[in-house]
Amino acid sequence: ETGVTQTPRHLVMGMTNKKSLKCEQHLGHNAMYWYKQSAKKPLELMFVYSLEERVENNSVPSRFSPECPNSSHLFLHLHTLQPEDSALYLCASSQDSAGGRTDTQYFGPGTRLTVL
Amino acid sequence: AQKITQTQPGMFVQEKEAVTLDCTYDTSDPSYGLFWYKQPSSGEMIFLIYQGSYDQQNATEGRYSLNFQKARKSANLVISASQLGDSAMYFCAMRERGQNFVFGPGTRLSVLP
Repeated sequence: ETGVTQTPRHLVMGMTNKKSLKCEQHLGHNAMYWYKQSAKKPLELMFVYSLEERVENNSVPSRFSPECPNSSHLFLHLHTLQPEDSALYLCASSQDSAGGRTDTQYFGPGTRLTVL
Repeated sequence: AQKITQTQPGMFVQEKEAVTLDCTYDTSDPSYGLFWYKQPSSGEMIFLIYQGSYDQQNATEGRYSLNFQKARKSANLVISASQLGDSAMYFCAMRERGQNFVFGPGTRLSVLP
């Protein structure tokens, strides 16, 4: 496997379900990110992990719970979601640095989530 | 205030022609990076090209080039010899020193046969 992978690619869940999204990066990066992309809205940064420590939480509702057990894996645990949480969830990774081209974020294919 | 502006919600281009996608940005930091991404209908964001604020020359990557005009704070993406597979959403993004990525709203490019 190369690059950034995400599973599942599609997920349909009810409002009372609990599910998890998984992201894995094979690039040797030390930072990982969760983004939410809703229709007709810019990409929204949800969480940032650098060296497995959460460094950013952009006021995301507590029904979204991230987990980063190591620098290669990132999870997003979902529970009691709302229909407005339906969106494409993208994971990305980068070699977090002082700047420059190495800041480039590489994205996974995304999980398209539908909440009924 | 919007950090990244992409004024063209949608663009059409004839196959084999060149197209320019506009991007303007707002920053007071002298050190920043500019990025372009392509997002096909499958959803994956594909990195295309990078331009650093201190780079003297415009970045090029194959058919992609970045028209970087620092004084105007613009970083337009030029795609030469458009192909049908270039039809996608294109996002301009910026990272200032020590800050997170900021993405623009995107431009939908449609390549016509």
